[in-house]
Amino acid sequence: GENVEQHPSTLSVQEGDSAVIKCTYSDSASNYFPWYKQELGKRPQLIIDIRSNVGEKKDQRIAVTLNKTAKHFSLHITETQPEDSAVYFCAALGDDYKLSFGAGTTVTVRA
Amino acid sequence: EPEVTQTPSHQVTQMGQEVILRCVPISNHLYFYWYRQILGQKVEFLVSFYNNEISEKSEIFDDQFSVERPDGSNFTLKIRSTKLEDSAMYFCASSRTGGRLGELFFGEGSRLTVL
Repeated sequence: GENVEQHPSTLSVQEGDSAVIKCTYSDSASNYFPWYKQELGKRPQLIIDIRSNVGEKKDQRIAVTLNKTAKHFSLHITETQPEDSAVYFCAALGDDYKLSFGAGTTVTVRA
Repeated sequence: EPEVTQTPSHQVTQMGQEVILRCVPISNHLYFYWYRQILGQKVEFLVSFYNNEISEKSEIFDDQFSVERPDGSNFTLKIRSTKLEDSAMYFCASSRTGGRLGELFFGEGSRLTVL
């Protein structure tokens, strides 16, 4: 099955700076990679996703890049704001059609 | 905007008791899932369900777990005899197309506490 590794586990940034979270996956057949934001006690919410026929996708301050050869993908948040503080999970849809999650990154944006 | 709804939001039960968690997926969705998140850990896949049968299940989903779609709207997860380690947040999710096309929509979760 798919194995997703996520780094770092915690990330503290100054408001206005950028945050980058990196994930690797093992199943070369995976071709859908969503990112979820989870606030304390709440459900994971999809913030952006990318499919394997695309190398980069951007939505306002959030961007995701995918390198299929290296089997890694990254989330970039620019101009961070306090409301960006949350746990972020990457995920990959493996060949078995199960969504496998990374371990999560706790992002803290310091005002 | 349509949402996945789950009940109860929180259930406390004694070890060994049966628990049923309920979900109402988005109405035109065909693929249904249960995920589990132990406090402070990652979200883990339990089971997927399509066309009235389980399509995939993880090693966590042992004989103590079962799922059912008793009518056209509800999707339930039953834990037959709860253990302490079943304490977690259980998320239901649904997808319109499943497979490699569909994004998952998660419910708010049901927190299960086993004492």
